[in-house]
Amino acid sequence: QSALTQPASVSGSPGQSITISCTGTSSDVGAFNYVSWYQQHPGKAPKLMIYDVYNRPSGVSNRFSGSKSGNTASLTISGLQAEDEADYFCSSYTSSSSRVFGSGTKVTVL
Amino acid sequence: QVQLQESGPGLVKPSETLSLTCTVSGGSMSNYYWNWIRQSPGKGLEWIAYIYHNGRTNYNPSLKGRLAISIDTSKNQFSVTLNSVTAADTAVYYCVRAPGGVYYFDSWGQGALVTVSS
Repeated sequence: QSALTQPASVSGSPGQSITISCTGTSSDVGAFNYVSWYQQHPGKAPKLMIYDVYNRPSGVSNRFSGSKSGNTASLTISGLQAEDEADYFCSSYTSSSSRVFGSGTKVTVL
Repeated sequence: QVQLQESGPGLVKPSETLSLTCTVSGGSMSNYYWNWIRQSPGKGLEWIAYIYHNGRTNYNPSLKGRLAISIDTSKNQFSVTLNSVTAADTAVYYCVRAPGGVYYFDSWGQGALVTVSS
């Protein structure tokens, strides 16, 4: 199974909105509404930010939102803040009942 | 609040076997999928395998021939072994929980760095 494709980096100024894409195939992202997103600060374990495409766990800011169209899922961060600077990974369930992650995107707050 | 803690050797020689154990505290192992996920230095995340509380398993096809995952619910632990390791298996290994019936990971261990080197 190949990793899902994400842009290596995305940047934005405080207060702006940014969107991170996650492109898979008809066997993973396109087949199921089981895309999740994780935030990882340096030296820390990943943290769940979005599950099942657009659901937010309790405690996650509503500045984070998810969507999907076809084989591509997206994470949007609105009102960008300095604390949002981190790596972000998407993940999807696959047709072989396994899990696949994205290549990761480094978000920089300018 | 469930906590997961990885343990095992931090250094493994090439061609030998990597073994890690995850101890789960603060919660039951029932009705959850227990996963191993790794992250090579400066790289992305790679799902390795999961085991359900009843022993059902699933492995990453790219690692399947070298992998074994097991669970001991009486000790609240699950383990992974990866044999014939190479430098490419050097990574931070995370033990991770996923609730049954859903497809996301809700609790992560802090991670254990395993280096493959002679």
